Amino acid sequence: DVKVTQSSRYLVKRTGEKVFLECVQDMDHENMFWYRQDPGLGLRLIYFSYDVKMKEKGDIPEGYSVSREKKERFSLILESASTNQTSMYLCASSERDTQYFGPGTRLTVL
Amino acid sequence: AQSVTQPDIHITVSEGASLELRCNYSYGATPYLFWYVQSPGQGLQLLLKYFSGDTLVQGIKGFEAEFKRSQSSFNLRKPSVHWSDAAEYFCAVAPMEYGNKLVFGAGTILRVKS
Repeated sequence: DVKVTQSSRYLVKRTGEKVFLECVQDMDHENMFWYRQDPGLGLRLIYFSYDVKMKEKGDIPEGYSVSREKKERFSLILESASTNQTSMYLCASSERDTQYFGPGTRLTVL
Repeated sequence: AQSVTQPDIHITVSEGASLELRCNYSYGATPYLFWYVQSPGQGLQLLLKYFSGDTLVQGIKGFEAEFKRSQSSFNLRKPSVHWSDAAEYFCAVAPMEYGNKLVFGAGTILRVKS
């Protein structure tokens, strides 16, 4: 079974802090994705990566950056957290056409 | 731009009753189509997917979905709902030429009453 893990289930940070969300997959997948999930909006793609050190912007990249130094790990970075970034963050990985999701990190920015 | 519409934000059904969740997409060609389920506090689990071929696809947990090209729809069905099916359901499409970037609908929350 594909396993995608995220470093924290719940996280509380203060406005202006730098926040790191980590995602690790164990299936040697090429592709990894970061989404945020908000009620009534579904999942929206923030960034994705097709290979190590490669990244592409998704639909809502503003205020976020990513890092992929190793194939199995994809990090989402909030350089200066703001209250409007309070949300559920979901990581996914895929080899071909099917994405497999982690359990999510619920981030609250105070 | 591609879009996915799930017209029902909430649906309530009685345990044992049949279920149909609607999904319509806007895209020029036939994309790849997916249904995911999210239980409270959990990540998304793949229920089923359609790429090509038979337009009726079977998934896990007794779910099925039917692709109708003429209606640009991919509705999810289950003949008899169980209380454990209460969750949020997401329809998603992946336009084939964009690799596997997914576009999600807003989700439908299913409540099951006993």
